[in-house]
Amino acid sequence: DIVMTQSPLSLPVTLGEPASIACRSSQSLLHTNGVNYLDWYLQRPGQSPQLLIYLGSNRASGVPARFSGSGSGTDFTLKISRVEAEDVGVYYCMQGLHTPPTFGGGTKMEIK
Amino acid sequence: QVHLQESGPGLVKPSQTLSLACAVSGDSITRAGYFWSWVRQHPGKGLEWLGYISYNGTTSYNPSVKSRVTISRDTSKNHFSLSVNSVTAADTATYYCARVSRAIQNQQFQFDPWGPGRLVTVSS
Repeated sequence: DIVMTQSPLSLPVTLGEPASIACRSSQSLLHTNGVNYLDWYLQRPGQSPQLLIYLGSNRASGVPARFSGSGSGTDFTLKISRVEAEDVGVYYCMQGLHTPPTFGGGTKMEIK
Repeated sequence: QVHLQESGPGLVKPSQTLSLACAVSGDSITRAGYFWSWVRQHPGKGLEWLGYISYNGTTSYNPSVKSRVTISRDTSKNHFSLSVNSVTAADTATYYCARVSRAIQNQQFQFDPWGPGRLVTVSS
């Protein structure tokens, strides 16, 4: 299985400040069609995960523009330009290029 | 708007079979281009993909649970189901169903939406 490694595990942030989460995969997620099969999800406390970014850099419907995804191959980044209180929760990256899809261990973001 | 809702027993005895259903509204589970998946989350832990049933009825399972898991569907009710046999305490988890987009060579992306989840505890 492809191993997804996220860093940091914990991310204390200040409201209004930027935040960044890294995700590294054990194999390239870049398909020959030029698409990176890497998604980002946010699981708020007590809720199910919700899709933020799909295929590396595409914001899901309704996701605020302060969220952005970048990267290719084995290294990816989720950036939040200015953190808001509702962004608190656990962030997961997920690869869907190979079966089984696998998730990173999660990055818990909380407000300082 | 598409909604998914899990249902089923919240308590299962060891060695028995865990059975959950996922009711889908706002979309058809036979619409081309989608997988209908199950993902679980052990208490306080990360996410584990269990498997899917495709729009055309084909299935795929995580090798880690393949021998014990079956995913089926009832197209007349527009729902799909998960069955895990011979459960142990290690199967205690919140089980989520989700719609997943299918790419040309069965890559998976865009797990969206998810159901609210169903906590299943395995205990005697």
